[in-house]
Amino acid sequence: AQTVTQSQPEMSVQEAETVTLSCTYDTSENNYYLFWYKQPPSRQMILVIRQEAYKQQNATENRFSVNFQKAAKSFSLKISDSQLGDTAMYFCAFVNMNYGGSQGNLIFGKGTKLSVKP
Amino acid sequence: DGGITQSPKYLFRKEGQNVTLSCEQNLNHDAMYWYRQDPGQGLRLIYYSQIVNDFQKGDIAEGYSVSREKKESFPLTVTSAQKNPTAFYLCATARSGTGRANYGYTFGSGTRLTVV
Repeated sequence: AQTVTQSQPEMSVQEAETVTLSCTYDTSENNYYLFWYKQPPSRQMILVIRQEAYKQQNATENRFSVNFQKAAKSFSLKISDSQLGDTAMYFCAFVNMNYGGSQGNLIFGKGTKLSVKP
Repeated sequence: DGGITQSPKYLFRKEGQNVTLSCEQNLNHDAMYWYRQDPGQGLRLIYYSQIVNDFQKGDIAEGYSVSREKKESFPLTVTSAQKNPTAFYLCATARSGTGRANYGYTFGSGTRLTVV
């Protein structure tokens, strides 16, 4: 069974600073994707960034980038130039793309609550 | 605009009652999912459906039931057998195959269920 672990329940960062959120996962599969989702106070889930396991290059989306360490099964999210609107819960998620019972099911970590302070 | 509609936004249930949460999508996505969110627990999978007329139990299916009679609709019934139903419920959809990874999953705005 796959598991996703986020070891930081809460974090805070000053506006314009950089913050890194940690995520580790456990799987025996070799074909999978990883995601970071943001859930602001509105509770709408928003996709921030995704990474394919076969790609060595770390994904980047504007101020958001990941550090994907496949051997270590680590997938951290770096937010640069933090903005007040980045205040939200952040969830790391995993999906197995190999054929099988769990194929296609998003598995989430417990989340990290990020507060950006002015 | 294409999207997912969850209704109602807030729902109150009395002890012993069954209630049904609605999830409708016009994205033409094959797969649909129900997640439960509790504080400090992340999102946990209740039921999922990869295709019409077929669905599978997730990690916490006890006390819940679903149906998938149409591609667009995946209602979730919270039965009286669910002992602690107060939670936030999220419906999600995804394309089939590699599409779900390439385009991600789309989430509804959720239903807050409270037992009174």
